[in-house]
Amino acid sequence: AQSVAQPEDQVNVAEGNPLTVKCTYSVSGNPYLFWYVQYPNRGLQFLLKYITGDNLVKGSYGFEAEFNKSQTSFHLKKPSALVSDSALYFCASDRGSTLGRLYFGRGTQLTVWP
Amino acid sequence: DAGVIQSPRHEVTEMGQEVTLRCKPISGHDYLFWYRQTMMRGLELLIYFNNNVPIDDSGMPEDRFSAKMPNASFSTLKIQPSEPRDSAVYFCASSLELGQGGYEQYFGPGTRLTVT
Repeated sequence: AQSVAQPEDQVNVAEGNPLTVKCTYSVSGNPYLFWYVQYPNRGLQFLLKYITGDNLVKGSYGFEAEFNKSQTSFHLKKPSALVSDSALYFCASDRGSTLGRLYFGRGTQLTVWP
Repeated sequence: DAGVIQSPRHEVTEMGQEVTLRCKPISGHDYLFWYRQTMMRGLELLIYFNNNVPIDDSGMPEDRFSAKMPNASFSTLKIQPSEPRDSAVYFCASSLELGQGGYEQYFGPGTRLTVT
C-alpha cells in the first residue's frame, strides 16, 4: 500500500518566487514524515522531519514543511527559491510503525529558472 | 564523521560476472539499508539490517542477489551472476534507533553499476 504520494513529477518555479513541493500520506495513526533532497550524482540528503509537536517544521537550506492532519499532507515549502535548489525531492514516511524502515515517494524534480 | 562510505563508486562489468558492492555505515548506527535507484522504478529498498541481523529482504529481486553484514561496520551486496537489467545506482544508508533521535537515514554517495 502506498504510504506517501507526490502528485507532481516536476515543479518549475522562477528564482525568487515561493516554491511548494507536495506530499500526501495515507497512513493511519501518527506517522513520522521526512523530506530528502537528491542532487545530481549524489545520495539522498535529509532535509527535515516531523515527529510530533509544532506542525511547522524548519529544516536545512531555508526549507520548511507543514504537517496538516486533516488534509493528510506534508508539503515542502520555501519562501524564495534559488537556482541551486534545483534537485530531486523525496517525501518519506515510516507508516506509523517502529520497524525502522522508511517508505519513499516517487520523487519530484524541482527546477528553478533564473 | 566521514558519513556512509561506499565502494566502488563506479563498476562496469560484463553479463554473467559477479559483482560485490561494499558499504561502511556511520559509526554507532544500528540500521543499515540497501537501495536501488533506476529511472523506471525509482528508489527501491532491497534489504535492511538491524544490529547486523537482516530484518526484511523482501525487496531483493532474485536469488542472484545476496547481502551480508558480518559486523557493525561493514556490509556487502553481491550479485551473481549479473545481468544488464541490474544496471542501476545502488545506495547504502544507515540510521540510529528511534529512541536515539529519530529515523533519519544517512545515504552514501552510491555505486553506479553498469552491466554490459
